[in-house]
Amino acid sequence: GAVVSQHPSWVICKSGTSVKIECRSLDFQATTMFWYRQFPKQSLMLMATSNEGSKATYEQGVEKDKFLINHASLTLSTLTVTSAHPEDSSFYICSAPGIREFDEQFFGPGTRLTVL
Amino acid sequence: SQQGEEDPQALSIQEGENATMNCSYKTSINNLQWYRQNSGRGLVHLILIRSNEREKHSGRLRVTLDTSKKSSSLLITASRAADTASYFCATVASGGSYIPTFGRGTSLIVHP
Repeated sequence: GAVVSQHPSWVICKSGTSVKIECRSLDFQATTMFWYRQFPKQSLMLMATSNEGSKATYEQGVEKDKFLINHASLTLSTLTVTSAHPEDSSFYICSAPGIREFDEQFFGPGTRLTVL
Repeated sequence: SQQGEEDPQALSIQEGENATMNCSYKTSINNLQWYRQNSGRGLVHLILIRSNEREKHSGRLRVTLDTSKKSSSLLITASRAADTASYFCATVASGGSYIPTFGRGTSLIVHP
């Protein structure tokens, strides 16, 4: 199956700093990637859809200036949490659809962000 | 927005027993998918069932879909300690976006 990687696996940062999370499709091209946020024992909340070569589409209630998304190539999407605060601490997961878009998603292993 | 709701929220069983998780949703779907998530990890796709299918098997997994009741169930037979994880159903709406919407998940603990 297709492999999606994320980097870093975990990050601890001070309040006010910015953190960049990378999501890579390793053995396939992804014109679209999705970014999710997950709180402990909660469901995945879709934050935004990352589109290669164009602007990301954000879900309602997600601050686009806070969560900057860049999809510069067919294998890489990045999520930058700007001026992070403790409430931004969460588990961030990316995914990419397979060849048949309505079928399974391939998920990265997730990034645990802790803001002190 | 459409969301699958899993039931129960948590399930604790002994190795060798069967585990059944249920998912209910609200509107018409193109397909329903089940995913597994180990603690602190990403999701792994388990099985997809389309709206015109009623049952699907994959190894020890059996998924059923009842579109009239807007519900699905995931059965794990002869469970193992390694099956301990959270299980999520995700629905893809018909006639709309292909982005799946996830439920809250069922936390399964299998005791050795």
